[in-house]
Amino acid sequence: DTGVSQDPRHKITKRGQNVTFRCDPISEHNRLYWYRQTLGQGPEFLTYFQNEAQLEKSRLLSDRFSAERPKGSFSTLEIQRTEQGDSAMYLCASSLDSFTDSYEQYFGPGTRLTVT
Amino acid sequence: SQQGEEDPQALSIQEGENATMNCSYKTSINNLQWYRQNSGRGLVHLILIRSNEREKHSGRLRVTLDTSKKSSSLLITASRAADTASYFCATVDTGRRALTFGSGTRLQVQP
Repeated sequence: DTGVSQDPRHKITKRGQNVTFRCDPISEHNRLYWYRQTLGQGPEFLTYFQNEAQLEKSRLLSDRFSAERPKGSFSTLEIQRTEQGDSAMYLCASSLDSFTDSYEQYFGPGTRLTVT
Repeated sequence: SQQGEEDPQALSIQEGENATMNCSYKTSINNLQWYRQNSGRGLVHLILIRSNEREKHSGRLRVTLDTSKKSSSLLITASRAADTASYFCATVDTGRRALTFGSGTRLQVQP
């Protein structure tokens, strides 16, 4: 078990460019989550998948954001036409949940996005 | 959106002292979890307490939950310099799976 991994760890991009982040969850985990964290704040939920199905999206996830989890394995988060307000740490987490209960989430190291 | 406030926002203590952090939330929850975050290791899960539990222990950690007051506390006993980090409570609302985090308490343990 190598934990949750994220790539890249840092990304600097110019405003208006598109960026894509990747998350590889713990292999047996069926749920995958994306969060965003700005300096001095707790993480805020963006979206989550159970296997390949995207089951919930936050209002924070504007139409410039899209997430996928093909085949229920790794996930990608794409931000189109980046804005300076998108600068944040993007965290991925995974968990192994039963149908009726939820358990602890294991977080990756995050991708720090800076939009200039 | 943030679930609620954590209190205090910052706490500085000496090694060996106990640290208590409080968390309030606003909704009906399935469970409440505490996480630690430092620059070296990212967010790490510490302990989970379910809505039908009132107290839970794990090593030097003690968590209480009062669903009538919608509040929780985390006690770290015999603190160490390595406990220096930000601590977040996070709730799982009834019927949901995502975590809703508080604003965090920044703990500094002086050696």
